[in-house]
Amino acid sequence: GEDVEQSLFLSVREGDSSVINCTYTDSSSTYLYWYKQEPGAGLQLLTYIFSNMDMKQDQRLTVLLNKKDKHLSLRIADTQTGDSAIYFCAESPGGYQKVTFGTGTKLQVIP
Amino acid sequence: DVKVTQSSRYLVKRTGEKVFLECVQDMDHENMFWYRQDPGLGLRLIYFSYDVKMKEKGDIPEGYSVSREKKERFSLILESASTNQTSMYLCASSPNVITGTDTQYFGPGTRLTVL
Repeated sequence: GEDVEQSLFLSVREGDSSVINCTYTDSSSTYLYWYKQEPGAGLQLLTYIFSNMDMKQDQRLTVLLNKKDKHLSLRIADTQTGDSAIYFCAESPGGYQKVTFGTGTKLQVIP
Repeated sequence: DVKVTQSSRYLVKRTGEKVFLECVQDMDHENMFWYRQDPGLGLRLIYFSYDVKMKEKGDIPEGYSVSREKKERFSLILESASTNQTSMYLCASSPNVITGTDTQYFGPGTRLTVL
């Protein structure tokens, strides 16, 4: 079945860039997502990318996709303490199909 | 804004009790999902529903059942709670789209402790 892998923990200093990595196995993935979960809350969609794109930028967020290696990354520029959260990578084939979520990466921002 | 609400934020139950977790969404979404979230394991799909009275097993359905009598409401039932069902339970919904993303909208979660 589909599998989405992430490292469990990342610690960065405030003001630095954070890079959260993800690998997936399903070659039919059409959409790849990044969700954010703040403490005590549910997940909220941050951004997504189509599989035919290499990069997507949205303010401080940059998503990079290497489809050949099935590798997705999320870069957060000028990381702030409010960015401390768990970040989930996810993938789906699109068209009301199941979404497969990764294990989540807990980002800790040190002031 | 899409709103997904869950009946309780925290719940403590005893082993063997029957437990109901309720989820309601207000955006007329066709699809609804129940996940459990455990440290190091991420989100695992328990059950999902694409329509009223319709249900499909997810990856870990054992020990759980669901009910969807109305479009806006999706209930997760633990017939006889066990300690290994202590977890955070997340409900989500999404609209039917023939093409396009499967963006899911999540509730705040219910942290269930089974003693």
